[in-house]
Amino acid sequence: DVKVTQSSRYLVKRTGEKVFLECVQDMDHENMFWYRQDPGLGLRLIYFSYDVKMKEKGDIPEGYSVSREKKERFSLILESASTNQTSMYLCASSFVSAGDTIYFGEGSWLTVV
Amino acid sequence: QKEVEQNSGPLSVPEGAIASLNCTYSDRGSQSFFWYRQYSGKSPELIMSIYSNGDKEDGRFTAQLNKASQYVSLLIRDSQPSDSATYLCAVNGGATNKLIFGTGTLLAVQP
Repeated sequence: DVKVTQSSRYLVKRTGEKVFLECVQDMDHENMFWYRQDPGLGLRLIYFSYDVKMKEKGDIPEGYSVSREKKERFSLILESASTNQTSMYLCASSFVSAGDTIYFGEGSWLTVV
Repeated sequence: QKEVEQNSGPLSVPEGAIASLNCTYSDRGSQSFFWYRQYSGKSPELIMSIYSNGDKEDGRFTAQLNKASQYVSLLIRDSQPSDSATYLCAVNGGATNKLIFGTGTLLAVQP
């Protein structure tokens, strides 16, 4: 079974803090993704990576950065957390083909106060 | 026009009935289509994928694709209360080569 693990399930951070969300996959997938999900807005792509050290902006990259130093690990960084970044964050991975299924981690619930 | 559109629901069906969930998409070049189920507070899990026109069946689930009409649907036969969840349609390929999600349809199966 595909395993996508998000290390932090529930976080509460203060405005202005730097926040790291970590994601690890064990299926040797080339592609990794970070989404956020908000009520009424659905899943929105923040960043994705198709190879080590490669990244591309998704639909809502502002306020976020990412790091992919190893194939299995993809980190999402909030440089200075703001209250409008309170959300559920979902990491996902897939093989390289556009037709391949993406598999999600369990999600990280971030509250910024 | 949204790239992937779904009726937000809730869609309420009695236990044992057929639930029909619909999705339309705007990019005519799209190649891959997926249905995910998401329980409240949980992450999405894949139910079905479909790549060519017609029907694809897996147990109680049938995915239907009509590329000419840019329409994909999911039928759930013999609906159970445990099927109550939000169903997300996702479309890949086409111009952006990214997976685009609809906002989901909330299904409520009444015992």
